[in-house]
Amino acid sequence: QKEVEQNSGPLSVPEGAIASLNCTYSDRVSQSFFWYRQYSGKSPELIMSIYSNGDKEDGRFTAQLNKASQYVSLLIRDSQPSDSATYLCAVVNAGNMLTFGGGTRLMVKP
Amino acid sequence: DTGVSQDPRHKITKRGQNVTFRCDPISEHNRLYWYRQTLGQGPEFLTYFQNEAQLEKSRLLSDRFSAERPKGSFSTLEIQRTEQGDSAMYLCASSFWQGWIGETQYFGPGTRLLVL
Repeated sequence: QKEVEQNSGPLSVPEGAIASLNCTYSDRVSQSFFWYRQYSGKSPELIMSIYSNGDKEDGRFTAQLNKASQYVSLLIRDSQPSDSATYLCAVVNAGNMLTFGGGTRLMVKP
Repeated sequence: DTGVSQDPRHKITKRGQNVTFRCDPISEHNRLYWYRQTLGQGPEFLTYFQNEAQLEKSRLLSDRFSAERPKGSFSTLEIQRTEQGDSAMYLCASSFWQGWIGETQYFGPGTRLLVL
């Protein structure tokens, strides 16, 4: 089992819709969770961090964390074609290392 | 400060040659990380420094790889006797660690290595 798992996609949503990206992790003691966006050929760019159970909103983005279920998600409201990218979930594990999932490719169609 | 910088951005080399990459972190950041990313995968941890001390090195990192951060500022990653399997994007990230869970890593633009 991988430490951080994501569906590779592609996830295709129409412009203006809500995109829902999911991530599960295996290390129960993980405390810090991050979502990065990566455009093709570019480096990861931080979108959000979340540390507590519940929702955290920042503009069109909402991160959701459920530590009991070991589940993190990212919702993108009013999706735009410019949101088309790979979204990486990253978790700080017990060894204090940031471990990445393989990423979910999102395609927002005009 | 405009963020983490890396040099070169692209490198093509022949198998067996040595290559060296440089990373300049955000100036007030005390931690510096190196990752490797291949197509379709997430970044994979290689090693990290806190100030000038190298605190962790991935078991996946062969002895052909070495990294330094001599004065706690910029860092170099050297790959000796490159192999075609070393072809990847090499990413550097930096963070300000205060000893609690709020550490956030910011990535540089990466160095794309192609070994022929």
